[in-house]
Amino acid sequence: GAGVSQSPRYKVAKRGQDVALRCDPISGHVSLFWYQQALGQGPEFLTYFQNEAQLDKSGLPSDRFFAERPEGSVSTLKIQRTQQEDSAVYLCASSLDESNTEAFFGQGTRLTVV
Amino acid sequence: AQSVTQLDSQVPVFEEAPVELRCNYSSSVSVYLFWYVQYPNQGLQLLLKYLSGSTLVKGINGFEAEFNKSQTSFHLRKPSVHISDTAEYFCAVTSTWGKLQFGAGTQVVVTP
Repeated sequence: GAGVSQSPRYKVAKRGQDVALRCDPISGHVSLFWYQQALGQGPEFLTYFQNEAQLDKSGLPSDRFFAERPEGSVSTLKIQRTQQEDSAVYLCASSLDESNTEAFFGQGTRLTVV
Repeated sequence: AQSVTQLDSQVPVFEEAPVELRCNYSSSVSVYLFWYVQYPNQGLQLLLKYLSGSTLVKGINGFEAEFNKSQTSFHLRKPSVHISDTAEYFCAVTSTWGKLQFGAGTQVVVTP
């Protein structure tokens, strides 16, 4: 596609529910990042994929968070047993190659846990 | 470890006036520096980046930034703002393979 696409744009989950957030990167982009942006804050790094390999997951806040990119294109961020503190905008970004000198961001998924 | 400090959380400015957004960083290694803009309910759009070479970097929409290594700063400027420049601006740094460390953001509000 022309840009990074994320779905859904908005998600309301009841506390304790599991959610799955999808990211379609720009076609052919090797690198994919997930960031979490709390209200009024800058984005915080969650995890990084190079093709299908998850090279860094140091930013995932707990073992309730899990990300995958099985075929090196589409990625899914899964949050199990959602908590209120998980409410945030989740941003996906992709980059053409391993140099990652320019990341293209999607519009994000706004997750609200009630 | 790296950190990014955006010194102003909000900057009000009149249309056609100049604006400067301040960004300081700390890092023990060489870094790449970026400015992103975020419009309401949108993702981040790259304004400009410093990788190497000339310390004055020109970006889109008339923005420019100057990398000052001695002062560890990367301030963003625009000589004349438009109403459409109202947005949140983020300074970011990376020293590795692209994992960005962002500042807290500066909200620019342009009024007529």
